[in-house]
Amino acid sequence: GAVVSQHPSRVICKSGTSVKIECRSLDFQATTMFWYRQFPKKSLMLMATSNEGSKATYEQGVEKDKFLINHASLTLSTLTVTSAHPEDSSFYICSARAGGLAGNTIYFGEGSWLTVV
Amino acid sequence: DAKTTQPTSMDCAEGRAANLPCNHSTISGNEYVYWYRQIHSQGPQYIIHGLKNNETNEMASLIITEDRKSSTLILPHATLRDTAVYYCIVLGASSGSRLTFGEGTQLTVNP
Repeated sequence: GAVVSQHPSRVICKSGTSVKIECRSLDFQATTMFWYRQFPKKSLMLMATSNEGSKATYEQGVEKDKFLINHASLTLSTLTVTSAHPEDSSFYICSARAGGLAGNTIYFGEGSWLTVV
Repeated sequence: DAKTTQPTSMDCAEGRAANLPCNHSTISGNEYVYWYRQIHSQGPQYIIHGLKNNETNEMASLIITEDRKSSTLILPHATLRDTAVYYCIVLGASSGSRLTFGEGTQLTVNP
């Protein structure tokens, strides 16, 4: 079945540095991918919509200059957390729909744990 | 997309059926009901989705009422590994693939 993969699964970075997280659709093309973040014991919060070949669409309250999203191909979207701060430590998850129809399945990646020290 | 209401938590005995309810009384005709679950520290796992008819796959069954205002996810023989947070989400074509997560139901399967 369709699979979405994220890399890295865990990353530790120093405050002030940038870190990139990749999201790949392994056996289908995705013109749109979505990025979520999740704090401990909380539900997933949608951060942004990643659009292949165009700018990402950010949810209200999400800083676009801090969370850079690039969707350069139909199978890869990247999220770069710039000037990382300890408050950015979180679980980041991406998703993509296998096919463009409303009834198609939406899959999630395994998630990426970011710890900023 | 229509809002959903789920119980905060449920318990189930291992080997028994787990029936997880979801209320979506404001659902529109073209909106699908999706179910996902999230085991601690992992990404959400797709379980099943449906529009009007009941659906079954290797993981679960989805029973949607005739008026579509509620649905039930059934895990026929719950195991300890089914302990997770279960999310019921309604999604229409206008929202694309933007799933909005509520708090879900914490299902605990007990030995």
